[in-house]
Amino acid sequence: ETGVTQTPRHLVMGMTNKKSLKCEQHLGHNAMYWYKQSAKKPLELMFVYNFKEQTENNSVPSRFSPECPNSSHLFLHLHTLQPEDSALYLCASSQERASSYEQYFGPGTRLTVT
Amino acid sequence: QKEVEQNSGPLSVPEGAIASLNCTYSDRGSQSFFWYRQYSGKSPELIMFIYSNGDKEDGRFTAQLNKASQYVSLLIRDSQPSDSATYLCAVGVTGTALIFGKGTTLSVSS
Repeated sequence: ETGVTQTPRHLVMGMTNKKSLKCEQHLGHNAMYWYKQSAKKPLELMFVYNFKEQTENNSVPSRFSPECPNSSHLFLHLHTLQPEDSALYLCASSQERASSYEQYFGPGTRLTVT
Repeated sequence: QKEVEQNSGPLSVPEGAIASLNCTYSDRGSQSFFWYRQYSGKSPELIMFIYSNGDKEDGRFTAQLNKASQYVSLLIRDSQPSDSATYLCAVGVTGTALIFGKGTTLSVSS
């Protein structure tokens, strides 16, 4: 595997379900990000981890819970979601959180909440 | 609030023409500038980055940066239908993660 991978690529879940999205980066980076992109809307930064520590949480509802066990893996735990949470969820990584580093994105998970 | 502004488009150009995509940013302390291409339903792909004033060329792509005017642009020469996508401008500001613009949709007609 190379770059940034995400699983699953597609997910359909009911509002009462619990599921998790997984992201893995094979670039030796130390910062990882979760973004949400709704249809025809810009990227929304959700969470940032730098060296496994959460450094940003952009007012994300508690039904989204991130976990970063090490610098290569990032999870997004989902529970009691709403239909408006349906979107493309993108994971990205960079060398560090510092602004000068470019981010590389995974292919995304297309989430549909029914 | 730090902002990155892009014209949403669509920007329509004929095949073979030069496409010019523009981006302005609000924070004078911005240090790094990136252009991403995003095809419909896909994730953003990094295509260019620039740190210093002036031009940077990579194949058919040229990034231009003017820090005094707080302006960064992307020129695509000899535009192809395969260049049709949304182009995201991202700006690096000390102390924050990259700030992304809303993107400009480019349509290249054959």
